[in-house]
Amino acid sequence: GENVEQHPSTLSVQEGDSAVIKCTYSDSASNYFPWYKQELGKRPQLIIDIRSNVGEKKDQRIAVTLNKTAKHFSLHITETQPEDSAVYFCAADSGGGADGLTFGKGTHLIIQP
Amino acid sequence: GAGVSQSPRYKVAKRGQDVALRCDPISGHVSLFWYQQALGQGPEFLTYFQNEAQLDKSGLPSDRFFAERPEGSVSTLKIQRTQQEDSAVYLCASSLLRQLNTIYFGEGSWLTVV
Repeated sequence: GENVEQHPSTLSVQEGDSAVIKCTYSDSASNYFPWYKQELGKRPQLIIDIRSNVGEKKDQRIAVTLNKTAKHFSLHITETQPEDSAVYFCAADSGGGADGLTFGKGTHLIIQP
Repeated sequence: GAGVSQSPRYKVAKRGQDVALRCDPISGHVSLFWYQQALGQGPEFLTYFQNEAQLDKSGLPSDRFFAERPEGSVSTLKIQRTQQEDSAVYLCASSLLRQLNTIYFGEGSWLTVV
């Protein structure tokens, strides 16, 4: 089955700086790669996703890049703000006709004022 | 409804007790998923329904876990003879169609087994 590795587990950046979170996956049949933001005690919320037919997608301060050859994808947040503090999860669909998403273990992003 | 609704939000069960967790997906969503999220971990897949059919239950950790969606809408996750390792947040999610569609999560049911 699919295996998703996520790094780092904790990331602390100064407000206004950029943050990058990286994930790798194992199943070359995976085609869909969403990123979720989860605040303490809240539901995971989709912030951006990318499909395998594109290499990069941007939405205001958030961007995601995908390298299918290397089987890795990254989340980039620019001009970080205090409200960006949360746990971020990457995920990959299981590919090969299987169901459900496989999630990484999460990155706790801390924005220092 | 406006979003995925789950109940109860919080449940404390004594070891050995049976629990039932309910999920009300977004109206019209065909696909429904259950995930288990342990403290400090990412969600882990439990089971998947397409309408009323349970197409994948490979993530259910033991035969004490049972899920159903009899009319293709509301789903119930039942855990029999709860054990301490069952303590986790149980997240329900739904999507309009099966693959490559945005999955929307509920707020989760926090289960603590004492």
